[in-house]
Amino acid sequence: GESVGLHLPTLSVQEGDNSIINCAYSNSASDYFIWYKQESGKGPQFIIDIRSNMDKRQGQRVTVLLNKTVKHLSLQIAATQPGDSAVYFCAENRDGSGNTGKLIFGQGTTLQVKP
Amino acid sequence: NAGVMQNPRHLVRRRGQEARLRCSPMKGHSHVYWYRQLPEEGLKFMVYLQKENIIDESGMPKERFSAEFPKEGPSILRIQQVVRGDSAAYFCASSPTKAGGSSYNEQFFGPGTRLTVL
Repeated sequence: GESVGLHLPTLSVQEGDNSIINCAYSNSASDYFIWYKQESGKGPQFIIDIRSNMDKRQGQRVTVLLNKTVKHLSLQIAATQPGDSAVYFCAENRDGSGNTGKLIFGQGTTLQVKP
Repeated sequence: NAGVMQNPRHLVRRRGQEARLRCSPMKGHSHVYWYRQLPEEGLKFMVYLQKENIIDESGMPKERFSAEFPKEGPSILRIQQVVRGDSAAYFCASSPTKAGGSSYNEQFFGPGTRLTVL
């Protein structure tokens, strides 16, 4: 069935290195993608989003890349810090008639930052 | 501006009891979404509500679950006759207008209610 999924369940990086978290989606009709960060015991926190008419979007220390040809989304975190340790989810929204704004979440990637 | 509020943060129920989860959206937000998260999994959409209306309940189990968002007061997710499989974290999100699609409004999440069914 249609789904948003992540390639790796756990990513371990050294403090100061760059992190890349990947996500695959299967519905070519998806037109809006979001990355959320979830720390233990907390709700998801918005990081960055991107529309399907864009290939790249940058925020503070984060960059999201969208490759519609292969239906792939990635989140790049520059100079990873211990505070970046969390579970990262990609989510998609599918436009079209009847769209109600519900988000379809992937399974999540745990980012572990080693000091 | 306070964020999305959920209470209780933790709720313990015995099998067969009722669980009521409350969500107060951010000020000025009239759209509420409920999601469920099982351990080690992503969030699964349950229901989308506007004031006094259920817009999309495609993710709600057909029995025992109901949701409302009255004109006054918080949104309520109600689970009747709880079973152990209902144990999960339930998150509420809100947005000022319909999120996603052409409007691309961000959904702001609350801290969640962790339901444990004994």
